[in-house]
Amino acid sequence: AQKITQTQPGMFVQEKEAVTLDCTYDTSDPSYGLFWYKQPSSGEMIFLIYQGSYDQQNATEGRYSLNFQKARKSANLVISASQLGDSAMYFCAMRETSSNTGKLIFGQGTTLQVKP
Amino acid sequence: GAVVSQHPSWVICKSGTSVKIECRSLDFQATTMFWYRQFPKQSLMLMATSNEGSKATYEQGVEKDKFLINHASLTLSTLTVTSAHPEDSSFYICSALRTSGRSLGEQYFGPGTRLTVT
Repeated sequence: AQKITQTQPGMFVQEKEAVTLDCTYDTSDPSYGLFWYKQPSSGEMIFLIYQGSYDQQNATEGRYSLNFQKARKSANLVISASQLGDSAMYFCAMRETSSNTGKLIFGQGTTLQVKP
Repeated sequence: GAVVSQHPSWVICKSGTSVKIECRSLDFQATTMFWYRQFPKQSLMLMATSNEGSKATYEQGVEKDKFLINHASLTLSTLTVTSAHPEDSSFYICSALRTSGRSLGEQYFGPGTRLTVT
């Protein structure tokens, strides 16, 4: 069974500094996708970044980058130059391609607080 | 990006009554939608996969007679919480799967519905 683990319930970072949010996964499917979402206090789920299991390069989207280490089954999110508006809950999620359902399984989430 | 709406955004109901939550994909057709439940400061738990024109697929442990899902059109799925009790109070989020060509597509999330049962 697939599993997503986020071991950091809460993280603090100083404004303008970089922060890494950890995510490890477990799957027997050779083809899968990894996602990161941001959920501010309003509750909306905001898509940040995607990494496919066969992608050769780490995904980047603006200040977000994904440190994908396939052998270690980790997909950590790096946020550079943190801003106060980055304070939110962050979820890592995985989708197995073989299931062909499009289902996402989410990790427990990490609450990030950016200090001024 | 694609837009998914939910209605209502929040609802308070009395114990024993039923509540219907709507999920609409506004600018694309979605044969598949998903319903999640989220308790405060916890993860999203998938409740069921809603399939247009067929029965929903429920995750293990989710009571299908309590959480009725109807996906009557390509742009609308509804979740009805029947005989609601205080323990059903939660944040309910839907998502719609937008397929594109050969890929599985992407999930676009609604803004969520906060249900409080008194």
